[in-house]
Amino acid sequence: DAKTTQPTSMDCAEGRAANLPCNHSTISGNEYVYWYRQIHSQGPQYIIHGLKNNETNEMASLIITEDRKSSTLILPHATLRDTAVYYCIVRTGANNLFFGTGTRLTVIP
Amino acid sequence: DSGVTQTPKHLITATGQRVTLRCSPRSGDLSVYWYQQSLDQGLQFLIQYYNGEERAKGNILERFSAQQFPDLHSELNLSSLELGDSALYFCASRKGGGQGAADTQYFGPGTRLTVL
Repeated sequence: DAKTTQPTSMDCAEGRAANLPCNHSTISGNEYVYWYRQIHSQGPQYIIHGLKNNETNEMASLIITEDRKSSTLILPHATLRDTAVYYCIVRTGANNLFFGTGTRLTVIP
Repeated sequence: DSGVTQTPKHLITATGQRVTLRCSPRSGDLSVYWYQQSLDQGLQFLIQYYNGEERAKGNILERFSAQQFPDLHSELNLSSLELGDSALYFCASRKGGGQGAADTQYFGPGTRLTVL
């Protein structure tokens, strides 16, 4: 699976959009971009995934650049409950997920 | 709620002991994955079972073993426990077992193991 690079930490004001970047410059054509988050010591929570096109669901939007070498997860209106570690994972059909260090997002009141 | 359940929530035991962690996958999911998360390391993949058979192995110690039963629940057995085995243990489930990259893994709430 391709490696990803994420900032170690980010802050976001409550109510504002949180934009979390991820670089995956070695991604290959059949590799999906997945985002999970982990709130404190809870189980990782699936957020969204995509291959080429931008995706949106009730939790977030995923913007993937045309060359697919980077992506951005957008939480449109961050709340205090969105404070978590966010993991960007690039995977093929590999049987496991490789979790890097992720981005620690702190939403500030 | 992901639909994946794990028991027990917390487990405290002594070095040298053996414990069993249990995971029930989401309805309809055939694959179960086990991950370990210790303080100084991130989430690490241990092992995967698909429809009762071992499908992939990660950084799983020889003291650890797992199985998946006909009803698709899975158990992770940890023996000869050491202090360093203290960690969160998560299981995840997924519908398929092969190379389906769009097939999402959903995680359970985890079991916190403390070895004293």
